[in-house]
Amino acid sequence: DTGVSQDPRHKITKRGQNVTFRCDPISEHNRLYWYRQTLGQGPEFLTYFQNEAQLEKSRLLSDRFSAERPKGSFSTLEIQRTEQGDSAMYLCASSYLLAGGRGEQFFGPGTRLTVL
Amino acid sequence: GIQVEQSPPDLILQEGANSTLRCNFSDSVNNLQWFHQNPWGQLINLFYIPSGTKQNGRLSATTVATERYSLLYISSSQTTDSGVYFCAVERKSGGGADGLTFGKGTHLIIQP
Repeated sequence: DTGVSQDPRHKITKRGQNVTFRCDPISEHNRLYWYRQTLGQGPEFLTYFQNEAQLEKSRLLSDRFSAERPKGSFSTLEIQRTEQGDSAMYLCASSYLLAGGRGEQFFGPGTRLTVL
Repeated sequence: GIQVEQSPPDLILQEGANSTLRCNFSDSVNNLQWFHQNPWGQLINLFYIPSGTKQNGRLSATTVATERYSLLYISSSQTTDSGVYFCAVERKSGGGADGLTFGKGTHLIIQP
């Protein structure tokens, strides 16, 4: 078990470009989460998948943000028409759902996005 | 949504000192986790503790769910303990998930 991995680790893009980030969860985990962390703040929840179903997406920051998890394995987070305010660390986490909705989340190393 | 307050926001201690970090939350929770974020941004799991008490070496944590608070104890601090400590909770919901709501963190500096 190698933990949660994310790619790329760093991304620099120009305003208006589209970017896509990838997350590979811990293999036996059935839930996958995306968070965003800006400087000096704690991470902020964006969306999550249970297997391949995206069960919560109302917290995505705008309609420029979308996420997919084809076949319930890896996930991608896409930001279209990036803005300077999108500059942040994007974190992925995974967990194994237990009874009562419990389950410890484990985080990847993050993708740091800089929009010029 | 659920509110999470951490205190103190900043803490500077000498090596060898003990410390207590507090996390208050405003609603019933399914999950509560403590993390240490290292200088490279990696969140390191310290405790998964929706209730009760756990210990791991020099660190221990207690969550009193009925009173909606959790405490993280660090004993015999070392310089490598420096960093930001986050408390994060997930509200009890009707079957879905809210994701973790994080506090603003406690920035701990351990001086040699």
